[in-house]
Amino acid sequence: SSELTQDPAVSVALGQTVKITCQGGSLRSFFANWYQQRPGQAPLVVIYGKNNRPSGIPDRFSGSSSGHIASLTITGAQAEDEADYYCSSRDSSGNQYVFGNGTRVTVL
Amino acid sequence: QVQLQESGPGLVKPSQTLSLTCSVSGASVNSGDYTWNWIRQHPGKGLEWIGFISSTGNTYYSNSPSLRSRVSISVDTARNHFSLRLISVTAADTALYFCVREEHRGFEDWFDPWGQGILVTVSS
Repeated sequence: SSELTQDPAVSVALGQTVKITCQGGSLRSFFANWYQQRPGQAPLVVIYGKNNRPSGIPDRFSGSSSGHIASLTITGAQAEDEADYYCSSRDSSGNQYVFGNGTRVTVL
Repeated sequence: QVQLQESGPGLVKPSQTLSLTCSVSGASVNSGDYTWNWIRQHPGKGLEWIGFISSTGNTYYSNSPSLRSRVSISVDTARNHFSLRLISVTAADTALYFCVREEHRGFEDWFDPWGQGILVTVSS
């Protein structure tokens, strides 16, 4: 499969927890990475590999995976977390990189 | 700190060739731990991987029908930059183009950092 599927949008109350999912057959074989894109900015990796946070990314961001579903959890969402979030991985062949369609997170 | 910066024309005529360059600072395009990628984003849409070039000059391109056989990526080690050429452009190639480093570690690989992006419009 060469597709990764995300819910288009989700909202979360300030300080609450939100989980964003990414589904795709290739996720059984390859890790998902998660990118945050704020309006007018380039994407920024927030989670990569099994569950790694780059330097500077708050520990409220975490990743997990089970079968063909990868998830990004924001525990205690802040106003600055309002953004589009994209998952990315390889396709089933391993030779192509694919992105999910993105999930817009709104912090209420 | 590694930084990438795209440059090139912001307007290309239909059927012509889109050419962009990515200048890299803080890292060498010769480094074996990375590949150098182009990714685009159509206005208001998601991200689309275009292809990469490795430190050894190997290239791999998207097999998406929208890009297949039109893409080439090259590297200039003396200038520490890499370039994208997309031939026979149409309005469908209007997008924000990002140059991006991909880091590899075992079975993990991820895109970081990203350039700020350059908007290319295809129009007569």
